[in-house]
Amino acid sequence: SQQGEEDPQALSIQEGENATMNCSYKTSINNLQWYRQNSGRGLVHLILIRSNEREKHSGRLRVTLDTSKKSSSLLITASRAADTASYFCAVFSEYGNKLVFGAGTILRVKS
Amino acid sequence: ETGVTQTPRHLVMGMTNKKSLKCEQHLGHNAMYWYKQSAKKPLELMFVYSLEERVENNSVPSRFSPECPNSSHLFLHLHTLQPEDSALYLCASSRLSGATNEKLFFGSGTQLSVL
Repeated sequence: SQQGEEDPQALSIQEGENATMNCSYKTSINNLQWYRQNSGRGLVHLILIRSNEREKHSGRLRVTLDTSKKSSSLLITASRAADTASYFCAVFSEYGNKLVFGAGTILRVKS
Repeated sequence: ETGVTQTPRHLVMGMTNKKSLKCEQHLGHNAMYWYKQSAKKPLELMFVYSLEERVENNSVPSRFSPECPNSSHLFLHLHTLQPEDSALYLCASSRLSGATNEKLFFGSGTQLSVL
């Protein structure tokens, strides 16, 4: 399967701490995207990183991509209770024509 | 708001019922999608429409029937569902279908329970 696989499955941290989630995939990709989903809601796009990029920032989010290891990480700095959500990576493969999602990491930020 | 609206938010139906899910996007996008999200499983792509033409049907059972009357509206008609079809059904849109660097805009979903 070319889908992304997130690690860990669940993460619980205190407010103010940093949260790191990892994603691994199996095929060559054009880009990798991260999405957030609050409980019972739809997914919201957070950030897209292209295959020729190594790092990207957006506010408190930092995404890295290592195409040699077929992996990506999402770092949320200075976490807040409002960051509590599920986070999904999705890959757009070189050969496919669709975005394929992983099973997600459930993040809980305790205040 | 993401610009993609789904109704109803919740739906409970018996296995012999017929119901429809509705999705509307106000973003001027040309592609629309149906995804199924079951507990602890990755999102499953069900159908893709590009310019009102179905371009993807991921081996979905015929008890799910999509309809795309125009580029702003997408329906999922349901009939004789099974309890295992209970899930969150998500609609999404994007500017184009199959193009790289496209991001998806999702609705809030319809939580479906089949009794």
